[in-house]
This record gives sequence, C-alpha cells and structure tokens, in this order.
Amino acid sequence: NAGVTQTPKFQVLKTGQSMTLQCAQDMNHEYMSWYRQDPGMGLRLIHYSVGAGITDQGEVPNGYNVSRSTTEDFPLRLLSAAPSQTSVYFCASRQTSGNSYEQYFGPGTRLTVT
Amino acid sequence: GDSVTQMEGPVTLSEEAFLTINCTYTATGYPSLFWYVQYPGEGLQLLLKATKADDKGSNKGFEATYRKETTSFHLEKGSVQVSDSAVYFCALSDSSNTGKLIFGQGTTLQVKP
Repeated sequence: NAGVTQTPKFQVLKTGQSMTLQCAQDMNHEYMSWYRQDPGMGLRLIHYSVGAGITDQGEVPNGYNVSRSTTEDFPLRLLSAAPSQTSVYFCASRQTSGNSYEQYFGPGTRLTVT
Repeated sequence: GDSVTQMEGPVTLSEEAFLTINCTYTATGYPSLFWYVQYPGEGLQLLLKATKADDKGSNKGFEATYRKETTSFHLEKGSVQVSDSAVYFCALSDSSNTGKLIFGQGTTLQVKP
C-alpha cells in the first residue's frame, strides 16, 4: 500500500492564481481531511469528508473548496490564492467508526503564494 | 470548544537525558488522546495513543498516561537519542465522533550528542 499520497510536494503561486492540491489514499478509508500547518499554530482543520459525496467545513475553510467524488481521492482547491495561504498542507485519512482510530498523514505540500 | 495546550519549545536535551513534554486538554465527553511525531521534511506519524482514562500508551520507549482528573497526557521518555529530534504534537479526537483531530501547537525537541 502506498498509504496517503499528495501532489505536488512544492508549489509557488502568484496572488490570484488557482490550483488544486491532490490527495489519494489506497486504504479504503471513509474519512479524509485537509489540514494546514503554520509555525506555532499546530495543524488546523480546513475541510473533511466522512465518505464519497459528503464534505464539511473545519476550523479554517475560507478560501478553500473540496469535493469527494470517490473514496480514494479528496482534492483541495484554491480558487484565488492569497499570501495568507502560504503554508504546508497535509491530507489525512482514517477509518470512520469510533474516535480512537489512527489518522494516516500524507507527506505534505509546501505552498508559497507571492 | 475542545482544545489542546502543549508546553512551548524548543526543548534542548543532551543524549540520554529524561524527557517530559506537557500536554493538557479541554474537552466534553470522552475523547481519545494521541501523540504524533513529525521528523524534518516529513508528514506526521502516530507515536502512541490512549482511548480512555488511566490508559497508558507506549511506543519506542515513549509513554503517556491519560489522566482524566488532571486533563493531561504528558509525554515521557527515560533516555532520549539524537534520532528523537523532531516536532511532537499532542492531539485529541473530537468528541462528536466525526474523526476530527484537534492539535496542540507542537513542541520541537532537539537532542545533542
């Protein structure tokens, strides 16, 4: 199993540009989520999904869109990038039932918006 | 709402020293508690977890006990190694059972030979 994969690893955008961060998992996990990591702030939840066709907002959803058309994929879209979105983005997945299951994280995408 | 507070870093120790990283939480219900570790340039990996009061999670010489009375989940290791240098995150699983993780701000550990 590849686990959770993310592409690209690095990206530089200009303000106002759009892009999609890709995330895929091959563990048949129902639950997937996106976090951003900023210095001194830990990881903050952006959006999450409990299954195909179902998404919901996390703590910091503004400026980001998601959709979940398959169990495997959970892309994160930035429609009009802003410097405040410069961050490291992590995708994660886990089994759905219960709150004790481990979340598996991807390697991250480092995004810089100039 | 639910929250996690970790001791601020960075923490700098000599090899073979004793490590404690404090973590306290605020939550409704009965969350599960986790410690994740992030090595330089990598994603987060689960280090250990505890799912109910008085449970002790352990892995790779690290331990943490779920203390409901003090709402704490402190991470300890008896003898750290240079290879333990990383960022450590305490987290709780949202008590609404949606699977959301709430993280502390992270504590950087640097171990010197």
